[in-house]
Amino acid sequence: EDQVTQSPEALRLQEGESSSLNCSYTVSGLRGLFWYRQDPGKGPEFLFTLYSAGEEKEKERLKATLTKKESFLHITAPKPEDSATYLCAVKRSGNQFYFGTGTSLTVIP
Amino acid sequence: SQTIHQWPATLVQPVGSPLSLECTVEGTSNPNLYWYRQAAGRGLQLLFYSVGIGQISSEVPQNLSASRPQDRQFILSSKKLLLSDSGFYLCAWSFRARGNQPQHFGDGTRLSIL
Repeated sequence: EDQVTQSPEALRLQEGESSSLNCSYTVSGLRGLFWYRQDPGKGPEFLFTLYSAGEEKEKERLKATLTKKESFLHITAPKPEDSATYLCAVKRSGNQFYFGTGTSLTVIP
Repeated sequence: SQTIHQWPATLVQPVGSPLSLECTVEGTSNPNLYWYRQAAGRGLQLLFYSVGIGQISSEVPQNLSASRPQDRQFILSSKKLLLSDSGFYLCAWSFRARGNQPQHFGDGTRLSIL
C-alpha cells in the first residue's frame, strides 16, 4: 500500500537552532516527491520537487534531499517566520498525489 | 504566470442545505484539477480529480460531487450537507502536458456545518 509518513508531528526550535524534518515513503514507481509549506488557514505553498535519489534542492534556509526511501527537509538557522506546517507528497504513475500529515514547526525568538 | 482562485473563503451552512464551491485557474490551459479535504491534524484527502472538461474521477464514496463545465473551472457540490462534511476544502491544479509537475493550491474554503 502506498504510504507517506512524516516525522516528527511537531517540532519546536529556538531561533538559529538547525534541524531536519523527515518524510518516508513506500511508493512503487516514484515519479516525484514534493515539499510544501502551509500557513494556518491557507493552502499549501509549493517549495521543492525532487525526482531521483541523491538529488538536492535549496531555497534560502531550506534544503531538501532525497534517498530511495525518504526525504529530508533541512532547516538551517531558522527564523520565527519559518514557523508553519511542512507537508510532503509523492506521485507515482497516474494523476494522484499522496500526502503525509505534515510536521508543525514552531520557531521561538 | 498561473493563478488559482477559490471562493468563498469561509462558509457556514445548515445541515441539509446545498453546497457549491468554485475554483478557477488562470494563465494555463488543459490543467489537471483536484479537490481535497483537509481535516485538522490529518493529511489531505483527495476527493475528486479531473483531466478534462466533463471528466471526473471520484476517490471516495461520499455526499459530494464535482463538475468541470469549462476547461479551467472546477466546482464541488452537494445536494444536502451532512455534519461530517465540515472541513477545509482545497482546490489544486497541475500541468497536464508536462508530466510529473507539482500541484498548486488555492487558499481553501473553511466549511462549517451547523
